[in-house]
Amino acid sequence: ELKVEQNPLFLSMQEGKNYTIYCNYSTTSDRLYWYRQDPGKSLESLFVLLSNGAVKQEGRLMASLDTKARLSTLHITAAVHDLSATYFCAVLFMNSDDKIIFGKGTRLHILP
Amino acid sequence: DSGVTQTPKHLITATGQRVTLRCSPRSGDLSVYWYQQSLDQGLQFLIHYYNGEERAKGNILERFSAQQFPDLHSELNLSSLELGDSALYFCASSVGVRVETQYFGPGTRLLVL
Repeated sequence: ELKVEQNPLFLSMQEGKNYTIYCNYSTTSDRLYWYRQDPGKSLESLFVLLSNGAVKQEGRLMASLDTKARLSTLHITAAVHDLSATYFCAVLFMNSDDKIIFGKGTRLHILP
Repeated sequence: DSGVTQTPKHLITATGQRVTLRCSPRSGDLSVYWYQQSLDQGLQFLIHYYNGEERAKGNILERFSAQQFPDLHSELNLSSLELGDSALYFCASSVGVRVETQYFGPGTRLLVL
């Protein structure tokens, strides 16, 4: 079964702190995506990770991919209130007819 | 503004009815993807078209169908609507056939009464 699990599902943190969101998936893939969604809005692409060991950074967000462990992380450095949103990971399972499966999302609330 | 447009923004209809959702991709993008977002099912991938051809199917019900036209816009047809079809429907576009950075439209909120 194709599965993508994110944790935590809810995260409340103080400004200035660091934290990591985890995304595990069930079977081989080497293409993983991170998205951001603000309340009542559409999705915004953050990162596309295409290979084992891929690391991408944009501002206070850094994403990495370990295909052997079937794990991606989204690390938040020195969080600011503007990063409050829901973050989704999604995995493209190329060996399963290119199906895209989303995690349930992590609702991040950053307290000023 | 992502450059992807979707119409209508909101749609209220009754069970058993049929609706058509429309998506225009960004200029130059050949791929269009459709997604459904609901509280109970979360985000689900429905279908992917590339340059007019179906490329991948996700959890798309048989009552739903889609197509991509020669001008690259796409339509998602939902028929025999049920209460559980109430959801946000997003389309996204990208340049190539493999899923790269996707640009999402604002979504169509469908309410089935």
